[in-house]
Amino acid sequence: QSVLTQPPSVSAAPGQRVTISCSGSSFNIEKYDVAWYQQLPGKAPKLLIYDNIRRPSGVPDRFSASKSGTSATLGISGLQTGDEADYYCGAWDSSLNAGVFGGGTKLTVL
Amino acid sequence: QITLKESGPTLLRPTQTLTLTCTFSGFSLTSDGEGVAWIRQPPGKALEWLALIYWDNDMRYSPSLKTRVSVTKDTSRKEVVLILTNMGPLDTATYYCAQYDVWTGSLDSWGPGALVTVSP
Repeated sequence: QSVLTQPPSVSAAPGQRVTISCSGSSFNIEKYDVAWYQQLPGKAPKLLIYDNIRRPSGVPDRFSASKSGTSATLGISGLQTGDEADYYCGAWDSSLNAGVFGGGTKLTVL
Repeated sequence: QITLKESGPTLLRPTQTLTLTCTFSGFSLTSDGEGVAWIRQPPGKALEWLALIYWDNDMRYSPSLKTRVSVTKDTSRKEVVLILTNMGPLDTATYYCAQYDVWTGSLDSWGPGALVTVSP
């Protein structure tokens, strides 16, 4: 049972837009910055979004994110088959005094 | 360019102790705001945060593993070591180390991971 809650899967057609939600609490998302990670099949996770909304250099602007209260959302527009991956949200948690992740969301591009 | 790489045993027996080394380059782990975290991922399952060591040698551990896990660093060798005692089959996972940015709380660069299997 992950501290942050994500939908297990989402799917959409190529070219479409999809959003992935991440729900937490006042101990984590509401208080701290959220990061998003992309894990391509068989690969290590890679930082996709940091500081709630910022993209590291090299991440296309098709990837965007937002945060409001105890929830965060990752958006991916202009879907490509290469975007098929597992996506994880992460944040610090003050009640655990440790980092926490969501359970991950598997994106399928139909 | 920042790189990290995990190394250690691939197979352990139950009750043995896991010692994994993360060798990093491109940062020092002596500057304000720097940290190295350990994360694991059982086969087919989600990421699990394990431990974090800061530039000032402060440490944080997952409450669920706190009695079994420890982490140390040797900045002269650019290494961070994870120790997990009393390993069991449920500890079978790919173990990752990652560079942690204290100011953003993000894991900015990851190692490729090391699969550790615990089996009798």
